[in-house]
Amino acid sequence: AAGVIQSPRHLIKEKRETATLKCYPIPRHDTVYWYQQGPGQDPQFLISFYEKMQSDKGSIPDRFSAQQFSDYHSELNMSSLELGDSALYFCASSSRTGSGYTFGSGTRLTVV
Amino acid sequence: RKEVEQDPGPFNVPEGATVAFNCTYSNSASQSFFWYRQDCRKEPKLLMSVYSSGNEDGRFTAQLNRASQYISLLIRDSKLSDSATYLCVVLGSARQLTFGSGTQLTVLP
Repeated sequence: AAGVIQSPRHLIKEKRETATLKCYPIPRHDTVYWYQQGPGQDPQFLISFYEKMQSDKGSIPDRFSAQQFSDYHSELNMSSLELGDSALYFCASSSRTGSGYTFGSGTRLTVV
Repeated sequence: RKEVEQDPGPFNVPEGATVAFNCTYSNSASQSFFWYRQDCRKEPKLLMSVYSSGNEDGRFTAQLNRASQYISLLIRDSKLSDSATYLCVVLGSARQLTFGSGTQLTVLP
């Protein structure tokens, strides 16, 4: 079965650079969630989209933005990267009619 | 205080042992409850949903007490492959998942 696809798997950026992370949800899933998991931390909710509209916002820095496109894929844009942004970034998708949330394999971002 | 709190761990148990994890949540409006398993540097994977009536899936049993806002996971006959971090996860009214800090389990041969 198709899962949540994230790209890239690994990304190395320098401080103050920008990064774009992509997420392709499971087909027919209409909601996408972004989470950030720092080393030794639990995943922290950043932002979510339902039907291409932002539905909820968590602890997302102002330097980050995200959107969901017409094909339901989502992109997380991160600017002015800081060392503390180094983390695993997970995308999850779900359907409003179901309770299952499926996570992608994550993007490991390292800021040097 | 975190919205979802779990046993501090780590738990180191021998193969075949029974181990129990506890979790409490603070938001009484929480709608759904899950246990996720996360292996090192991998994505969280759904282990099981948790229902008020309690539910069992093979060696795993989950319980929910809404009055006490308490969730548990029992693993019987532990296997080496059960070694992982177990995350207690709560779905709030905003449909976002809130994670506990996780409990690390190591099953020893």
